[in-house]
Amino acid sequence: AQSVTQLDSHVSVSEGTPVLLRCNYSSSYSPSLFWYVQHPNKGLQLLLKYTSAATLVKGINGFEAEFKKSETSFHLTKPSAHMSDAAEYFCALGGGYQKVTFGIGTKLQVIP
Amino acid sequence: KAGVTQTPRYLIKTRGQQVTLSCSPISGHRSVSWYQQTPGQGLQFLFEYFSETQRNKGNFPGRFSGRQFSNSRSEMNVSTLELGDSALYLCASSPGTAVRETQYFGPGTRLLVL
Repeated sequence: AQSVTQLDSHVSVSEGTPVLLRCNYSSSYSPSLFWYVQHPNKGLQLLLKYTSAATLVKGINGFEAEFKKSETSFHLTKPSAHMSDAAEYFCALGGGYQKVTFGIGTKLQVIP
Repeated sequence: KAGVTQTPRYLIKTRGQQVTLSCSPISGHRSVSWYQQTPGQGLQFLFEYFSETQRNKGNFPGRFSGRQFSNSRSEMNVSTLELGDSALYLCASSPGTAVRETQYFGPGTRLLVL
C-alpha cells in the first residue's frame, strides 16, 4: 500500500520569508511524486513533479522540492513567500493511470 | 490547448436524488480520473477511465458510477444522494499511456446535498 503524509495542516509565514511544506511518503516501488496548489474555488494546478530523474526538482513560481529516498521525503520549498502563494498545497504519490494518493493538504498563510 | 472543463460548476440537490457530472479532457488525452474532495477526507480517488473502460477504482459505494465516451469525455453519476456526498468533485485528464504522467485538473463541480 502507498501513503502520503503532509506533516503540517497549516503553515503561516511572513511575506519575504522562506516557505517549507513537508511531505513524507511510503511506497513499495519507485515513486512518482507531485506537488499541486489549489487556490480557493479552483482546481489543482501542478507545481512540480519528480519521476526518478534529478532529485532536486524545480517548479513554477519559484518553488522547488528535493526527493530524499533515505528519508522518504519530498518537501516543498520557496526562498521568499509572496502574498499570492497563499493557498492549499497537496503532495501526491503516483501519476498517470496509477491510483493516485493525495496528502490531506497544507494551508499556507502569508502574513503581510 | 483548452484545459479540462467540468459542467456544471455548481449543483444543489436534495437527499435521494441522483446527479450527473460531466468532464471534457484536454484534447488528445484518453484517461480521465475522478476525485471527491471534502474538508474532512481530503482528495479521494473515485475511478479512472481509459478508452471507454474503467481501469482503476477507489473505495466508494456502488452509488458512484461513471462512464467514458468514444471522444474521451466522461460522466460520473451519483444515485440516491446522501448529505455526505456534498463535496467538490474534480476530474483530471492525462494521456493515459504511462504511470508517471502528469494529471491536469479541471475547476471542479461543487455539489451541495440538502
